[in-house]
Amino acid sequence: SQQGEEDPQALSIQEGENATMNCSYKTSINNLQWYRQNSGRGLVHLILIRSNEREKHSGRLRVTLDTSKKSSSLLITASRAADTASYFCATDEDSNYQLIWGAGTKLIIKP
Amino acid sequence: EADIYQTPRYLVIGTGKKITLECSQTMGHDKMYWYQQDPGMELHLIHYSYGVNSTEKGDLSSESTVSRIRTEHFPLTLESARPSHTSQYLCASTGDEYEKLFFGSGTQLSVL
Repeated sequence: SQQGEEDPQALSIQEGENATMNCSYKTSINNLQWYRQNSGRGLVHLILIRSNEREKHSGRLRVTLDTSKKSSSLLITASRAADTASYFCATDEDSNYQLIWGAGTKLIIKP
Repeated sequence: EADIYQTPRYLVIGTGKKITLECSQTMGHDKMYWYQQDPGMELHLIHYSYGVNSTEKGDLSSESTVSRIRTEHFPLTLESARPSHTSQYLCASTGDEYEKLFFGSGTQLSVL
């Protein structure tokens, strides 16, 4: 079942600007992950944040997690054309040990 | 770089044909998954396996079947392909519960 919700569905920004994407979920989680997917390809893991963490950084990526609001955000700073992709969040809230996926945010970086 | 491979990368076939999509990983992962994804949409889990001789159906009803005879190999078979099966099929694996998935590059299937 698909319970994650991401917004916006699509985001178009100029190269060099920051991009922020949001993910909401419905029940308690152990962790939340973000993945990137280039057009027509498989997904690549970006970052995992655990339920007891509030913020995590990896290079130009910053992820926050607010368990009280059941939401997470992914910030990409100083965007580049190569960041053009779809970004998905996934949570482990399913009791059958499956990841629950959001519908993704399509990010377009304009040169 | 993920050590998980899917073949073929693209496949165009006629209705009624039997096909097998291959997925292999060299990481020794026990857990493997097949997802179906339409363009620009979310991933739908169609099959998963927690180890050799273990296979389960996912949330999305699928007319495909899978097998797990070896740890590294998790093929998906469609006995009789239909146009409604046209989609991208993604294979993934992980060595940890709930943790980071490694994905193959996908098979883009078109059934005419």
